[in-house]
Amino acid sequence: DTAVSQTPKYLVTQMGNDKSIKCEQNLGHDTMYWYKQDSKKFLKIMFSYNNKELIINETVPNRFSPKSPDKAHLNLHINSLELGDSAVYFCASSQDSQGRDEKLFFGSGTQLSVL
Amino acid sequence: GESVGLHLPTLSVQEGDNSIINCAYSNSASDYFIWYKQESGKGPQFIIDIRSNMDKRQGQRVTVLLNKTVKHLSLQIAATQPGDSAVYFCAEYMYSGGGADGLTFGKGTHLIIQP
Repeated sequence: DTAVSQTPKYLVTQMGNDKSIKCEQNLGHDTMYWYKQDSKKFLKIMFSYNNKELIINETVPNRFSPKSPDKAHLNLHINSLELGDSAVYFCASSQDSQGRDEKLFFGSGTQLSVL
Repeated sequence: GESVGLHLPTLSVQEGDNSIINCAYSNSASDYFIWYKQESGKGPQFIIDIRSNMDKRQGQRVTVLLNKTVKHLSLQIAATQPGDSAVYFCAEYMYSGGGADGLTFGKGTHLIIQP
């Protein structure tokens, strides 16, 4: 069974559209994350979220919003897509975000292409 | 600002040889370090971790060395195999920072195993 799964794997869309990427983890972890990987492979955190707190990287535009229906899911919704949003987006989870185990488990990524 | 970085973007080694991937970090308060491996089309995969109270840790064919004096981290892979070809990232976490900020990743080194 896949520990962290995200869908879709590929997403091609037009500028201005709204899209969502779904993520689910079956590890029973408390914290989930979204990372963005650019064309140079640089990984940058966008959000971290547990059932108590959402931490937003202040550089992330407010067009991006995480939505968590329950502890096992953290979806990423993007409004008014722009060309610069093209990247690979990774969902991840960790056991405990409070400093005891920061080992992240990643999904396989969603390659977003905005045309 | 403080950051995690790698010395070499690409490293090419012969199959069977040992490889060393280096990482320099500038945040002296970092407590925990992880090496990740990312194969093409996949998410980063945990390899090995080390805490700041250690200077060496060994896994299966991999060894991580931490030199806090010069703020340097390295990953040694013994007897490289074709399956070791991937991009390798070092990542750091600073517990005292608080909150659920996740890991900060370096820029990545592309390891190429030559047959």
